[in-house]
This record gives sequence, structure tokens and C-alpha cells, in this order.
Amino acid sequence: GDSVTQTEGLVTLTEGLPVMLNCTYQTIYSNPFLFWYVQHLNESPRLLLKSFTDNKRTEHQGFHATLHKSSSSFHLQKSSAQLSDSALYYCALSGGYKVVFGSGTRLLVSP
Amino acid sequence: GGIITQTPKFLIGQEGQKLTLKCQQNFNHDTMYWYRQDSGKGLRLIYYSITENDLQKGDLSEGYDASREKKSSFSLTVTSAQKNEMAVFLCASSRTGDTEVFFGKGTRLTVV
Repeated sequence: GDSVTQTEGLVTLTEGLPVMLNCTYQTIYSNPFLFWYVQHLNESPRLLLKSFTDNKRTEHQGFHATLHKSSSSFHLQKSSAQLSDSALYYCALSGGYKVVFGSGTRLLVSP
Repeated sequence: GGIITQTPKFLIGQEGQKLTLKCQQNFNHDTMYWYRQDSGKGLRLIYYSITENDLQKGDLSEGYDASREKKSSFSLTVTSAQKNEMAVFLCASSRTGDTEVFFGKGTRLTVV
């Protein structure tokens, strides 16, 4: 079945440094949709960005990701981390009737 | 826009008790989900439903039942509450296939 792998459970960074959260996936669908969701403390997850176009960069709120079907990857990046970026980030995949979430990566940004 | 309403917001139950959590959405979405989130941890899928009266088990379905009598509502029953399942239960919905999942604000379950 479909699966999403986020290898880092926790990423700690100093403010101003670049962010990269890894996401790889497996799916039988040739045209899957890939998503990043963000969950801040005491809130519910919400969509950060999404893509279904191969090799096209998608951006939102300073974050960006590029879907690479050749490597089945959809890594999340940001050039400069802010304290307010501290949150739980989920990569997710949809190709059929349901969305599959990864296990999440917690990003902690310190001053 | 739409909204997902989960009731109750807080649920306190006794060990061994049967407890029901309710979820309503007005997006007119086909697919609805129940997730469990333990403190500081990620989402774990309990059940999902792709249409009225459909039920599909997730990774964590043991100990839970679900019901989708109407397109707009999806309920989750904890069949026998255990102290180790204190968590936040999140209901979510999406249009079938390609789209954004919207989440409710959650029901926090405490078992005493």
C-alpha cells in the first residue's frame, strides 16, 4: 500500500539557519498528490503546501518543496528558520480515496 | 468555506466504559477520517470512510468502532476505555482523491 517516510523525528535549529525536512514516499499511483501539513502547539494540523507536478517548485509562507517522482521525494525547505516555525510537520500522500500521513517531524527553532 | 465540529471537546470516562465521539462536517466532503494523537506524537489513523455507510480500518482500529450513517457525520466509539488511550482524537474530512484534508479541533479523552 501507499506509505510516507519521514526519517527525522526531531530537528533542532538555531534561528536564521536553513530548514530541510525529508520526505519520501511509495505509491502505486502514477500521479500522486503530495502535501505538507503543519501543526502548532494546541492546534490542529493545517495545509502548508501541496503539489502534483513533477519537478515544479511549490511555495507558501516562505517554505518550498519540489516533487521529484524519479526519487519519490518531496522535501520541505526554508532558507531561514524563524522561532515561529517551531511545530510538528507532516508529509502526506494522496492518490486514491484517502490521504496517508507520515509520522511527522518536530522542528524546534531556538534563538 | 466549511467547518468540522467535534463533540464533546473534553470527554472523561471510566476504565472499561463505552464512549462515543461525534463529528459533523459541512464541506460536503466524501471522505472522513478519525485519527488519534498521543501527547507530542504524530497522527495515527483509526478509521476512515469514503462515502455514507462505508467503513475502512486504519492502523489502530482495534478497540474502536465507527459509524457513517450520513455523509456529513462520522462517529467513533471506544468500546472499552483504557487508561493508556488518553489522547486527542481528531476528525478530518477531504474531497475524494486529490485534495486538502481539513481537521476539527479535536476531542481530548481522559480515562480515570
